[in-house]
Amino acid sequence: DTGVSQNPRHKITKRGQNVTFRCDPISEHNRLYWYRQTLGQGPEFLTYFQNEAQLEKSRLLSDRFSAERPKGSFSTLEIQRTEQGDSAMYLCASSLAGGPDTEAFFGQGTRLTVV
Amino acid sequence: LAKTTQPISMDSYEGQEVNITCSHNNIATNDYITWYQQFPSQGPRFIIQGYKTKVTNEVASLFIPADRKSSTLSLPRVSLSDTAVYYCLVGDRDGNNRKLIWGLGTSLAVNP
Repeated sequence: DTGVSQNPRHKITKRGQNVTFRCDPISEHNRLYWYRQTLGQGPEFLTYFQNEAQLEKSRLLSDRFSAERPKGSFSTLEIQRTEQGDSAMYLCASSLAGGPDTEAFFGQGTRLTVV
Repeated sequence: LAKTTQPISMDSYEGQEVNITCSHNNIATNDYITWYQQFPSQGPRFIIQGYKTKVTNEVASLFIPADRKSSTLSLPRVSLSDTAVYYCLVGDRDGNNRKLIWGLGTSLAVNP
């Protein structure tokens, strides 16, 4: 296992289109997180899964955003009717619940540009 | 949730030791201190975590005074490749990273 994998790395879309991103966590990790990061800012928490259950969503996550983690493995983040304000880096991270530390492993992110 | 304060930017030269201090005056008893490093267009990478006194690994050292209201990340003999943003985070070691609040981080520039 080479770590957390995110696809695509870059996505350019027109305003109003739907986009979907995929995250493959480290295989034994049961926790999965999505973050959004804009230029010059730290990551902002969006949502969190433990296994297949989505346990928390940030108020930043509007109704246009939806995330899934079927079977507790990979996860997808979909943005419907994209807006220019959605342009950001979308980061996925995974960690092991009950592990000895809180280390989260991040993917390289998907950079979304809405034009 | 504890809030952290760290310098926005720092400059250093190759071969020097760099110390980045983070203030977390409202740290709770169960909170641990964690530092991440982030390069441009990459996801953050875990560097080190500690609760009190000193922790050292192959990458860095973390110094935490007795009152735990601050911590210092020490990078020995930095190189150009250490140019990155460094984030200090405070949170419950239960491990739920959703509780972590990421600030602006410290942008470290290492010069030749």
